[in-house]
Amino acid sequence: KQEVTQIPAALSVPEGENLVLNCSFTDSAIYNLQWFRQDPGKGLTSLLLIQSSQREQTSGRLNASLDKSSGRSTLYIAASQPGDSATYLCAVKGGSYIPTFGRGTSLIVHP
Amino acid sequence: NAGVTQTPKFQVLKTGQSMTLQCAQDMNHNSMYWYRQDPGMGLRLIYYSASEGTTDKGEVPNGYNVSRLNKREFSLRLESAAPSQTSVYFCASSEAPAGGDRAKNIQYFGAGTRLSVL
Repeated sequence: KQEVTQIPAALSVPEGENLVLNCSFTDSAIYNLQWFRQDPGKGLTSLLLIQSSQREQTSGRLNASLDKSSGRSTLYIAASQPGDSATYLCAVKGGSYIPTFGRGTSLIVHP
Repeated sequence: NAGVTQTPKFQVLKTGQSMTLQCAQDMNHNSMYWYRQDPGMGLRLIYYSASEGTTDKGEVPNGYNVSRLNKREFSLRLESAAPSQTSVYFCASSEAPAGGDRAKNIQYFGAGTRLSVL
């Protein structure tokens, strides 16, 4: 059974820092890996999706990488801002089409 | 654009009552999903519909039924609610379940239904 772990569980940083959020998974037979953002009391917003054949995706200040062989993905946030405060979730989709989510990293960026 | 719309936003039930959670998407997506989110457990897939006319069990299907009414709508029914079903329920959709163009696999989520079963 696929297991997804996100480290750290919580992070508090001053504005302007570059951040790395980690996601690891146990079964490397995946279709894709997706990073989401969730604000308190809200639904999930897709940030980046990486197909299994890709190594990374970039959108603005966000960069996500994927190393399937080691079962790891990182989400890099450049020059963090208070508006980046949210919970970040990764989800891995395998052959059964059933996504497995990590429990998330709760990020606070303070001015 | 509305995207994925869920109704109701909040609901309180008594044990044994039934209800249906509604979900509709206006993006012409083929695949739709129902998740529940519980503190400390993360999101877990209840049921999904890879395409119109098909439904399949996810990780935690017991106590739920689904109907893919048409391409736009995917409902989740609790026949006899239990306190263990207190949760936040999310509906999501994507153009395709997996494979092919990356953009087609991106899941879009609704705002959620907060359900309490007393």
